Amino acid sequence: DQQVKQNSPSLSVQEGRISILNCDYTNSMFDYFLWYKKYPAEGPTFLISISSIKDKNEDGRFTVFLNKSAKHLSLHIVPSQPGDSAVYFCAALTQGGSEKLVFGKGTKLTVNP
Amino acid sequence: EAQVTQNPRYLITVTGKKLTVTCSQNMNHEYMSWYRQDPGLGLRQIYYSMNVEVTDKGDVPEGYKVSRKEKRNFPLILESPSPNQTSLYFCASSFLSSGSYNEQFFGPGTRLTVL
Repeated sequence: DQQVKQNSPSLSVQEGRISILNCDYTNSMFDYFLWYKKYPAEGPTFLISISSIKDKNEDGRFTVFLNKSAKHLSLHIVPSQPGDSAVYFCAALTQGGSEKLVFGKGTKLTVNP
Repeated sequence: EAQVTQNPRYLITVTGKKLTVTCSQNMNHEYMSWYRQDPGLGLRQIYYSMNVEVTDKGDVPEGYKVSRKEKRNFPLILESPSPNQTSLYFCASSFLSSGSYNEQFFGPGTRLTVL
């Protein structure tokens, strides 16, 4: 059973517009939610995280929103740039155990110039 | 430069021929982990290690072994590879969490093909 779900395999936006990537989860015990970004032929790189006790975290152009009642989080990128084109993985973590990151399947974002 | 390195980056082998994928980190991280990435499945954890000589199974450990004799190294061993182990493998490391999230750093990946 998939605990972290990214239902959109791909998203295409115009440069300068907002990109919104969505993620749903089923396990209410997760302590942290993360977004990782992956370019082809590279490993995933950490982008932004949010604690389960927060509802928003912002870092420059990137903002993550958490709605615990809906078990939903989203990543907003404003403004989107062509260099943001990559696969974005939503992941979740429960502390105090295996430190395992539970990943979604990823969403491929394409930002068109 | 702080990094996680993996070798080899690409490997084509045949069923049953033992192989080892090495992973090394230079950040003095306690925690290391192996993931595999398959189309339509995201990344899944194979094994992890909380410190030297401490290892445990992840979600998909069948067919794999690991060892953690030194803090910096965490090799992944396939004793008898099979075609269903054809995948993209990532090693990751981090400090252990202590009240806040500690970023997991990923290696560049090893693309393994088992014929």
